[in-house]
Formats: sequence, structure tokens, C-alpha cells
Amino acid sequence: GNSVTQMEGPVTLSEEAFLTINCTYTATGYPSLFWYVQYPGEGLQLLLKATKADDKGSNKGFEATYRKETTSFHLEKGSVQVSDSAVYFCALRGGGTSYGKLTFGQGTILTVHP
Amino acid sequence: NAGVMQNPRHLVRRRGQEARLRCSPMKGHSHVYWYRQLPEEGLKFMVYLQKENIIDESGMPKERFSAEFPKEGPSILRIQQVVRGDSAAYFCASSPPAGTDTEAFFGQGTRLTVV
Repeated sequence: GNSVTQMEGPVTLSEEAFLTINCTYTATGYPSLFWYVQYPGEGLQLLLKATKADDKGSNKGFEATYRKETTSFHLEKGSVQVSDSAVYFCALRGGGTSYGKLTFGQGTILTVHP
Repeated sequence: NAGVMQNPRHLVRRRGQEARLRCSPMKGHSHVYWYRQLPEEGLKFMVYLQKENIIDESGMPKERFSAEFPKEGPSILRIQQVVRGDSAAYFCASSPPAGTDTEAFFGQGTRLTVV
């Protein structure tokens, strides 16, 4: 079956530091890959996505590249802000699966200090 | 265009009571998905519904849990005879019919506490 593994958290950084959150996956076929962000007390918001190998998703300074050879979709940001503090979830949707059926990683808590 | 609306936001139930969680999808969305998030874990898919049909319930516990999405009104996730282990955040997502290039949108969740 499908699965997603994220790096263990929590991650604590100073403002303007570089961020990497690792994500690897196992899936059959050609999945689509996503990063969602969850702010305290809120639901999930789609941060970025990639639907095929070598695609790069980007949004709000965050980037992730779909690497089929390493089955990875690592999230990066060059300079984090305090407002980026949240929980980040990597997720996949299996090929041919309906839009909303996703497999999530366990989440990584990010705290950014001024 | 309002987003996915879930209510209540917080729900407290005593062991053995019933919990009813409601989800109104975004306008134009006919597909609803329910997820459960246990403390310090990711979201786990429970069920996928279209109007008056359960499409995929592979993630639903076999007992005490049920879901519906009637022709009129919100989708309901029902948990009978709640136990402490049911305490979690329950999220609903909705998406448009297949063939439209968009993603599912999530509600803010209902946080269920069983005491």
C-alpha cells in the first residue's frame, strides 16, 4: 500500500535560517505529491504540489521537487519567518485516485524563533 | 464562496454517548472525505462519500462509526457509544466532481474529547 515517511520533529530554527523537511514515499504507479500546512487550531491548507516526476512545486518561498529515483519530495525554504511556525504534512495521492483520498505523513512541527 | 464548514468546532462527550459531526462542503463540491487525526499523528483517511453514496469506506472502523451524505444537508460522521480512544480531531474535505483540475479543500476540523 501507499505510505509517507517524514523526518522526525520538532524542528526549531531561528528567523532567516534555511529549512529542509525530508519526505519519502512508497506508492505504486504514479502518485501526486503534496505539502500541507496546519497552523494552530486550524485545518490543513495546501502549500504546494507536484503531479509528475521532476516537477517542482513552489509557493510562498517554499519549494519541493518530485524525485522519482529517490522517491522523495523534500520541502525547502531559503529563509524562514516566525509566521512559518506550523505543522507541515507531506502527502500523496495514488494514481487514478479521487482528489481527496490522501495518504499523509505523521507531520513535522516547525517552530521559528525571532 | 465559503470554505468547507465543520461544526461543532469542539465537542465533549461522555463515554457511551453518541457524537455527531457535521460537514458542509464548498459550493459546487459533491465529494466529501472524512479524516481522523489522533494526537501527534498525521491524518488518516476514513471514508469518501458522494451524495447518497458511500464510495470508499476502507478507513472506517468496523463498529460504532458511520457516515452519510444525504441529498440535502451536510455530511454527518456519527460515532456511537464513544470511548476515550475516539478523542481526536476529525477533518472533512471536499472536492468537485472528477475531471476538474483542482484539489480537495479541508475544513477546520471538529475536536472531539471523550471524558
